[in-house]
Amino acid sequence: TQLLEQSPQFLSIQEGENLTVYCNSSSVFSSLQWYRQEPGEGPVLLVTVVTGGEVKKLKRLTFQFGDARKDSSLHITAAQPGDTGLYLCAGAGSDSWGKLQFGAGTQVVVTP
Amino acid sequence: SAVISQKPSRDICQRGTSLTIQCQVDSQVTMMFWYRQQPGQSLTLIATANQGSEATYESGFVIDKFPISRPNLTFSTLTVSNMSPEDSSIYLCSVIAGQNTGELFFGEGSRLTVL
Repeated sequence: TQLLEQSPQFLSIQEGENLTVYCNSSSVFSSLQWYRQEPGEGPVLLVTVVTGGEVKKLKRLTFQFGDARKDSSLHITAAQPGDTGLYLCAGAGSDSWGKLQFGAGTQVVVTP
Repeated sequence: SAVISQKPSRDICQRGTSLTIQCQVDSQVTMMFWYRQQPGQSLTLIATANQGSEATYESGFVIDKFPISRPNLTFSTLTVSNMSPEDSSIYLCSVIAGQNTGELFFGEGSRLTVL
């Protein structure tokens, strides 16, 4: 089993502050995905990173995949209350499509 | 993209009873996946449902407890049998969104509370 460890588990910040969520593993993944889940909803895909060292930006969100494809980070600049949610990283193997290994999640709360 | 609808969205159940969750997709898909999200925890894959064959269960999950049906390419059901409070969870149906990366679309989930 490829384990994904996310940190921190919980993050509470003020609007306008920056935050970073980390996702680490001892295993290599073919791709790593970030999802956001809001109460009463299923997870929604934010981004997928595939190449080691890859950096992707989605407005105020920056995603990075480690060179060895074992770890990833999500950085949010100038957080807004709408960024509140459970952020989940998930790793995919090359031969197990659909069988994602999820991290435990980081609950982010952004207060006005 | 795929639109996935689950029923029920939530239910309160008595210990020892069974409940069937339905998942409807707006397009034909080969594989459908059932995940469980226990309170305060992340998602764990229960099984993969393939049309025309038996579901494939992950370690720790068995067919007697979580029977799955997949009658066609747009529909699946998951039954939680002989429920106990430990089965209180969100159950999520999902399908593959990205063929080359394994990205998933998820339904909104079915939140079950077992008393």
